[in-house]
Amino acid sequence: EVQLVESGGGVVRPGGSLRLSCAASGFTFDDYGINWVRQAPGKGLEWVCGINWNGGSTGYADSVKGRFTVSRDNAKNSLYLQMNRLRAEDTALYHCARYYDYTGPDAFDFWGQGTMVTVSS
Amino acid sequence: QLVLTQSPSASASLGASVKLTCTLSSGHSSYAIAWHQQQPEKGPRYLMKVNSDGSHIKGDGIPDRFSGSSSGAERYLSISSLQSEDEADYYCQTWGTGINWVFGGGTKLTVL
Repeated sequence: EVQLVESGGGVVRPGGSLRLSCAASGFTFDDYGINWVRQAPGKGLEWVCGINWNGGSTGYADSVKGRFTVSRDNAKNSLYLQMNRLRAEDTALYHCARYYDYTGPDAFDFWGQGTMVTVSS
Repeated sequence: QLVLTQSPSASASLGASVKLTCTLSSGHSSYAIAWHQQQPEKGPRYLMKVNSDGSHIKGDGIPDRFSGSSSGAERYLSISSLQSEDEADYYCQTWGTGINWVFGGGTKLTVL
């Protein structure tokens, strides 16, 4: 069974840091690129960042560029998101989502349930 | 700039059919898109990928009631024989050549 399980969310003060993890199972992890997508309460989906199958290419939304860093460990079937200088507007449910990285970017074909990040003083 | 536009809401009666629209920005009419469903209090679920020629590739376990099509810069999600569990938010998604994805604002579907 394919699974993507996020963890590491919590409450953090503005300016603080948090590291999210996404544990994958049930598929060949290094066949897939993985992304982080967030959803603020009552709002739509917002792509945050992504990484290709071997970690050689990454991309970030302008809203998080310079503050967030995505990485992966294929030996551990895991994806990470280091979030620094957090702001109130980063408050959201953070999902990881995969795409089959055969010819480059493609549709997200499986999502995790998400981990909640709340930035508040 | 790559942008997807969706109507904020749609409604249809139980057992009826509905067609949701996702419009690609100017100059991007050849792009494929994907449709995702998000039921209340649940994570998103991949429904299908729709190509510019109207062909579509559905995710595992997606019922035949769901289908996709295209016309110019518009991509469609059609749902027939509407059921109560189809009441959800529907998002379209597209991508370019780099590590960069875009989502539409979502359409909230109400089943009457």
